[in-house]
Amino acid sequence: DTAVSQTPKYLVTQMGNDKSIKCEQNLGHDTMYWYKQDSKKFLKIMFSYNNKELIINETVPNRFSPKSPDKAHLNLHINSLELGDSAVYFCASSPSSADTQYFGPGTRLTVL
Amino acid sequence: GESVGLHLPTLSVQEGDNSIINCAYSNSASDYFIWYKQESGKGPQFIIDIRSNMDKRQGQRVTVLLNKTVKHLSLQIAATQPGDSAVYFCAERGTSYGKLTFGQGTILTVHP
Repeated sequence: DTAVSQTPKYLVTQMGNDKSIKCEQNLGHDTMYWYKQDSKKFLKIMFSYNNKELIINETVPNRFSPKSPDKAHLNLHINSLELGDSAVYFCASSPSSADTQYFGPGTRLTVL
Repeated sequence: GESVGLHLPTLSVQEGDNSIINCAYSNSASDYFIWYKQESGKGPQFIIDIRSNMDKRQGQRVTVLLNKTVKHLSLQIAATQPGDSAVYFCAERGTSYGKLTFGQGTILTVHP
């Protein structure tokens, strides 16, 4: 069974559209994260939730809105998509914010 | 291939050689360091970690060395195998809610 799963794996969309990426973990972890990996492979944290509470909110445009309906799920909604949003988005989870983070397989977003 | 145009540091070795991947970190207050391996099309995979109160930690075929004086981290892979070919990232954790800051990555290519 996949520990951290994301859907969809690939997402191709037009500029200006709104899209969501979903993440689920079946590890019983309390903390979940969203990272963005750009074309140069640079990985940067965007958000983190601990028990459904936002604890990390990096400098990210407010077009990006995370939502955690329960501690096993962390979704990422993006409004008014721009070309520069094209990247691979990774979800991760950890038992607590002090523990090792485990990553999902990624969602490759392409904005045309 | 995927590495074209990335301009990441690269390391090419022959199968069976030992590999050493280096990383300089920025925050002298970081208390925890991790090495991740990312294969093409996959998410980062945890390899080994080390806390700031240690200077060496060994796993299966891997060793991490931490030099806090010069803020340097290295990953040693013994008897490197073709399956070790990937991008390797170091990450440091400051004291802020588990926020990981990733290094730029090193491409390891193992030739049979």
